[in-house]
Amino acid sequence: GEDVEQSLFLSVREGDSSVINCTYTDSSSTYLYWYKQEPGAGLQLLTYIFSNMDMKQDQRLTVLLNKKDKHLSLRIADTQTGDSAIYFCAEIYPGANNLFFGTGTRLTVIP
Amino acid sequence: KAGVTQTPRYLIKTRGQQVTLSCSPISGHRSVSWYQQTPGQGLQFLFEYFSETQRNKGNFPGRFSGRQFSNSRSEMNVSTLELGDSALYLCASSLEVEQPQHFGDGTRLSIL
Repeated sequence: GEDVEQSLFLSVREGDSSVINCTYTDSSSTYLYWYKQEPGAGLQLLTYIFSNMDMKQDQRLTVLLNKKDKHLSLRIADTQTGDSAIYFCAEIYPGANNLFFGTGTRLTVIP
Repeated sequence: KAGVTQTPRYLIKTRGQQVTLSCSPISGHRSVSWYQQTPGQGLQFLFEYFSETQRNKGNFPGRFSGRQFSNSRSEMNVSTLELGDSALYLCASSLEVEQPQHFGDGTRLSIL
């Protein structure tokens, strides 16, 4: 869990789709999470996916999981200026309750 | 339902002092975890408490400690503060192990 990797920056135009990618480390991870952090705030849980799923959709959010490649992605449809924030992916191991976080991707939405 | 509440929001201390941070979990949540967030190291796990017992601890020196009370509220303590302890300290609560963790807004600790 110490090398959960994410790209540092992503810029998109308002109304376009955003795709944030994450490569995690442990194939035994049970749940994978996406959190959003706005300036001066804590982490907001956006969505999560169980490791036996390939995809999960929740309104504008779509999570894709490729266990073979240990790759997780978060797609935000119709991206709005209010989506500008830092997005963290995180993994958790079986029987444990400590999250291992990626470095975070700063999403900037251009009006 | 109220979210995770952390107090205080901001704290300024000097080197050598000690500090206590408080966290009230979401009602009904029995697990409380603490994380440190810094620009250099990112988000790192400190420790986790469940039913007043520390279940797991991250790789931090013994100056960092915590506890959980019977009402699931938790405190963390940092003694002999160092400049490098300046960080945002985040508390998260969950119902059980491996359940989604919900975070508070954090306590921003600055060491002068």
